[in-house]
Amino acid sequence: GQNIDQPTEMTATEGAIVQINCTYQTSGFNGLFWYQQHAGEAPTFLSYNVLDGLEEKGRFSSFLSRSKGYSYLLLKELQMKDSASYLCAALDSNYQLIWGAGTKLIIKP
Amino acid sequence: ETGVTQTPRHLVMGMTNKKSLKCEQHLGHNAMYWYKQSAKKPLELMFVYSLEERVENNSVPSRFSPECPNSSHLFLHLHTLQPEDSALYLCASSQDAAGEIWTDTQYFGPGTRLTVL
Repeated sequence: GQNIDQPTEMTATEGAIVQINCTYQTSGFNGLFWYQQHAGEAPTFLSYNVLDGLEEKGRFSSFLSRSKGYSYLLLKELQMKDSASYLCAALDSNYQLIWGAGTKLIIKP
Repeated sequence: ETGVTQTPRHLVMGMTNKKSLKCEQHLGHNAMYWYKQSAKKPLELMFVYSLEERVENNSVPSRFSPECPNSSHLFLHLHTLQPEDSALYLCASSQDAAGEIWTDTQYFGPGTRLTVL
């Protein structure tokens, strides 16, 4: 079956760096998305990776290794407003989007 | 503000009621989606419309009935729901400019928190 694994919850300190991992098992692969969802709000797009490597967007970076079925989201200089759930989703060969359950990130002062 | 609005934001209904959820996108997109989000579970794709035609229906019970009258509006009609249908229902839209809707970024609405008693 198709599956996305990501940690349920992580805690980090304001100003620090945190890496949220995501592993996927899909029938084929057409890219991987990361979304951020604050409590009670809509998910918002963070990144889309289809090629191996690291893509940086300000404080947020996303990495993909297709051979390992692995991605991570790296958040630097953490701010309290980064407290949210981070959703990983992979596109399979049929362009079906397979979602993870999300990682709840708690930022402490 | 993502350009996708949903009403109502909260809904409490009995199992015998009939209600409708509304979604409107102001982004000029051609594709719209309904998702169900339950606590600690992955998003579940329910329905997808592209250019007002349904392109995906993921084995959703018939007590959920979608309607897409135009590319800006999407409805989810609800009837005889069960308590396990209580969840956050999210609407999303995407550009679908090249016919490959799945690789387009999806823009989500704030969701309707549904409670079935």
